[in-house]
Amino acid sequence: KQEVTQIPAALSVPEGENLVLNCSFTDSAIYNLQWFRQDPGKGLTSLLLIQSSQREQTSGRLNASLDKSSGRSTLYIAASQPGDSATYLCAVNQAGTALIFGKGTTLSVSS
Amino acid sequence: NAGVTQTPKFQVLKTGQSMTLQCAQDMNHEYMSWYRQDPGMGLRLIHYSVGAGITDQGEVPNGYNVSRSTTEDFPLRLLSAAPSQTSVYFCASSYAGRDTDTQYFGPGTRLTVL
Repeated sequence: KQEVTQIPAALSVPEGENLVLNCSFTDSAIYNLQWFRQDPGKGLTSLLLIQSSQREQTSGRLNASLDKSSGRSTLYIAASQPGDSATYLCAVNQAGTALIFGKGTTLSVSS
Repeated sequence: NAGVTQTPKFQVLKTGQSMTLQCAQDMNHEYMSWYRQDPGMGLRLIHYSVGAGITDQGEVPNGYNVSRSTTEDFPLRLLSAAPSQTSVYFCASSYAGRDTDTQYFGPGTRLTVL
């Protein structure tokens, strides 16, 4: 059974710092991996999707990498801002349909 | 494009009551799904559908029913609400079976069962 783990569960950094969020999964047979952002009391916003054949994707200050063989993905956030404070969720798509989620990393960026 | 819409945003039920959570999408997506989000448990799949007339169970289907009569709509029915069903419910949609396809989520329904 696929399991997705995110470390750390919470992270606090000062504004301007570069940071890395980690996601690991137990079964490398995935369609894709998706990173989401969730603000308190809100829905999920898709940040980046990495196909199984890709190694990384970039959007603005965000860069996500994927190493299927080792079952790992990282989300790199450059020059963090207070507006980046949110919970970041990693999810793998294993069968082309449902997503299996990690429990998230709650990020707090202080000014 | 309204994307994925969910109604109601908030609902309070008494134990034993029934209700339907509505979900609709206007992106012509084949795939739709329902998740529940609970503190410390993350998001867990309840039911999903890969097209009109086709539904299947996810990780936590007990106490919930679904049907998919149109491509656009995927309602979730609670037959006899229990306090354990207090949660935030999210509906999602995407094209099915393609590794390029992002899943889009609705804003959620916060349900409290007393």
